[in-house]
Amino acid sequence: AQSVTQLDSHVSVSEGTPVLLRCNYSSSYSPSLFWYVQHPNKGLQLLLKYTSAATLVKGINGFEAEFKKSETSFHLMKPSAHMSDAAEYFCVVSVYNFNKFYFGSGTKLNVKP
Amino acid sequence: NAGVTQTPKFQVLKTGQSMTLQCAQDMNHNSMYWYRQDPGMGLRLIYYSASEGTTDKGEVPNGYNVSRLNKREFSLRLESAAPSQTSVYFCASSDRVLASTDTQYFGPGTRLTVL
Repeated sequence: AQSVTQLDSHVSVSEGTPVLLRCNYSSSYSPSLFWYVQHPNKGLQLLLKYTSAATLVKGINGFEAEFKKSETSFHLMKPSAHMSDAAEYFCVVSVYNFNKFYFGSGTKLNVKP
Repeated sequence: NAGVTQTPKFQVLKTGQSMTLQCAQDMNHNSMYWYRQDPGMGLRLIYYSASEGTTDKGEVPNGYNVSRLNKREFSLRLESAAPSQTSVYFCASSDRVLASTDTQYFGPGTRLTVL
């Protein structure tokens, strides 16, 4: 069975400090993994995705994520937070031929001035 | 380029009322989806459409019906609304149906309250 767990429901950082949003997945097969961002009252937008190529994936707005198979993790990182990064972030896993996307419950990122 | 649009943005219904949520995409995508988002939970798939003229149930289809009117439009209907259907509803589209590597493009959502 496939599932995804976002370990923190809320994360608060100061502007200019690093961001780490944690995601662990469970999958019996090689997964595809995504991070989406949702700004207030907006739809979800793709930040980045892993589809079995390079394990360090770079996305938009300076975000990156590292696929670690041994730890079944796909944590999202950014070296320096901006106020505009305040949003909710969703980790998503899918598996080829299973025709389903599994969404995590989301992590709300607060950025303090 | 509008992407995925949804109407209405907000709606309040009384129990037992019906309504239709509208969704349209201008990216020439083949597949379209309806999700609901509830507090503390990830998005859950209600229905999807692989192509014009086809629809399939997702994870939580009970109480909903859908219509794929043409390639651009995919509507979601609540025939008799219940308080348990209070949620935020998102429409999405992608080039291929539920392909594991495909990006889904989401609309801004409809916030529905059922009293």
